[in-house]
Amino acid sequence: AQSVAQPEDQVNVAEGNPLTVKCTYSVSGNPYLFWYVQYPNRGLQFLLKYITGDNLVKGSYGFEAEFNKSQTSFHLKKPSALVSDSALYFCAVRDFPNSNSGYALNFGKGTSLLVTP
Amino acid sequence: DGGITQSPKYLFRKEGQNVTLSCEQNLNHDAMYWYRQDPGQGLRLIYYSQIVNDFQKGDIAEGYSVSREKKESFPLTVTSAQKNPTAFYLCASSIWGQQETQYFGPGTRLLVL
Repeated sequence: AQSVAQPEDQVNVAEGNPLTVKCTYSVSGNPYLFWYVQYPNRGLQFLLKYITGDNLVKGSYGFEAEFNKSQTSFHLKKPSALVSDSALYFCAVRDFPNSNSGYALNFGKGTSLLVTP
Repeated sequence: DGGITQSPKYLFRKEGQNVTLSCEQNLNHDAMYWYRQDPGQGLRLIYYSQIVNDFQKGDIAEGYSVSREKKESFPLTVTSAQKNPTAFYLCASSIWGQQETQYFGPGTRLLVL
């Protein structure tokens, strides 16, 4: 079974400071990991994904994520937060397909990021 | 949200009524998905379709139905059997494959009168 945990419901950061949004995963095979962002009453926007290769993945809007196999983590990071980064962030995982989900993603519950001026 | 449209943006359902949510994509993707989003619960899979004229139940399919008559379209019907339909519904599409990124539409918010 595959699952994703986002241990923090909310993260508060001052503008200009680095931010980290945490994600840990559990899969039976090799993980394929994704980060999405959602602004109020909008769909999810893709930020980045880890498939294989370099453990540090760079994505949209200056975000990056570090894959750590030993800690089964895939934390989202940004060196300098902006007020406009305030949104809901979702981590998702996919491993082997099955008849119940195909290649659907398994999402965490989301972390609300608030960046204050 | 580019390439995937959902309509309407807001939908109101009366008790005992079936309602249909539209999802259209012009990305030439084979796979399409419907998710339900409730506060604090993340996204849960309702149905998915790998190809035209084929679809499979997801984790919470009870009270919902879908069709996939065209590659571009994957409408979701919320039936009267769904007792708690109030939620934000998201449609997504992707190329069929383990590495492929899913792209999401803007969503439809369903409210019960």
